Amino acid sequence: ELKVEQNPLFLSMQEGKNYTIYCNYSTTSDRLYWYRQDPGKSLESLFVLLSNGAVKQEGRLMASLDTKARLSTLHITAAVHDLSATYFCAVFMDSNYQLIWGAGTKLIIKP
Amino acid sequence: GAGVSQSPSNKVTEKGKDVELRCDPISGHTALYWYRQSLGQGLEFLIYFQGNSAPDKSGLPSDRFSAERTGGSVSTLTIQRTQQEDSAVYLCASSLWISSTDTQYFGPGTRLTVL
Repeated sequence: ELKVEQNPLFLSMQEGKNYTIYCNYSTTSDRLYWYRQDPGKSLESLFVLLSNGAVKQEGRLMASLDTKARLSTLHITAAVHDLSATYFCAVFMDSNYQLIWGAGTKLIIKP
Repeated sequence: GAGVSQSPSNKVTEKGKDVELRCDPISGHTALYWYRQSLGQGLEFLIYFQGNSAPDKSGLPSDRFSAERTGGSVSTLTIQRTQQEDSAVYLCASSLWISSTDTQYFGPGTRLTVL
């Protein structure tokens, strides 16, 4: 059974700081997604990582995938308040077309 | 263009009643997914459709849950004899194909409260 673990589950940080959210998964997959969810809102797609070594960047967010280590990271550079949200990673299972989700990282960025 | 829409946005029902949740995917998207999100939790996969077909129903929590899709478009998720543990936000997503490379676009969700 595929398990997806995110850490930390909660992160409070100051504006301007850098931090990394980690997403570990337990079985082979080379398809990983990052989503953002604002309180009371639905999920917004951030990144799709489709191969080992994939790196994608959008603004202050950068995501990477290491399929050998079964690890993806979401790095936040010089955080700003607008990035406060819950961030989810999800791993695609080719065997049954399911996305298996991490529990989410709630990020609070204080001005 | 129009995104994924869901209705109702909120549903409060009494234990034991049946409810029907609706999802209207993005036009042209052949794949449709249902998820459940309990308070403060990640997403639990329920079922997917490729066209009108749902090849794997094992993700549905119990036989009280059923889903159908007609015309390759609108889908309904029906919960019979609702229980309090069914309370959650039910999210629908669609993608162009049932493929790992296609992003799933999510609707706003239906918040179900079973009293």
